Amino acid sequence: EIMMTQSPAIVSVSPGDRVTLSCRASQSVHSNLAWYQHKPGQAPRVLIYNAVNRVPGIPGRFSATGSGTEFALTISTLQSEDFAVYSCQQYNHWPLTFGGGTKVEIK
Amino acid sequence: QAQLVQSGPEVKQPGSSVKVSCRPSGDTFKNFAIYWVRQAPGRGLEWMGGFLPVVGPAENTHYFFARAFEDRLTITTDESTNTAYMELTGLTSDDTALYYCARGLQLWARDWGQGTLVTVSS
Repeated sequence: EIMMTQSPAIVSVSPGDRVTLSCRASQSVHSNLAWYQHKPGQAPRVLIYNAVNRVPGIPGRFSATGSGTEFALTISTLQSEDFAVYSCQQYNHWPLTFGGGTKVEIK
Repeated sequence: QAQLVQSGPEVKQPGSSVKVSCRPSGDTFKNFAIYWVRQAPGRGLEWMGGFLPVVGPAENTHYFFARAFEDRLTITTDESTNTAYMELTGLTSDDTALYYCARGLQLWARDWGQGTLVTVSS
């Protein structure tokens, strides 16, 4: 089973800041990685697929990089609606696995 | 806005089973991969299992499960009612969680249900 490790677990930032979240796989997942945003009381929402592709309708302030074992999600100018938990998921190996998530909270 | 509609909250006794349903609003599950994911209180998302439809001359479905659930998780679909089901047996307090169904045309989950809270308590 592929282990996905996200860091940091919590990041405190202010609206307008730029933040980069990290996700590391225990072995290569190539570019088979997605990023999700999750808010309390709401269903998760996919932001990024195939490591770097933004899902249609997702704002351009969300961007992602990486392949193999190292991945990153950047939010360039944080808006109030971006405070949430962000999780990465690999889909290169069965079973599919999620990282533990990074909570982006207001400083 | 959830495009998958799940059944309502459940309270279960330890040792019992729970069955959660999921159906799409406005279309069908045909050709979609279906996944079940849960989130326990204070924890991250946990992929439980799912299936991939294989479309072709010999249609088939491939099921996959996380190791933690392979002995007690059953995933089924009812084409006549366009509904997917997740049944988890041998419930313990550790199974108290919000359970989501999700689907995608690829292996990432594009659409999600609203979640079903399952509480295991004596």
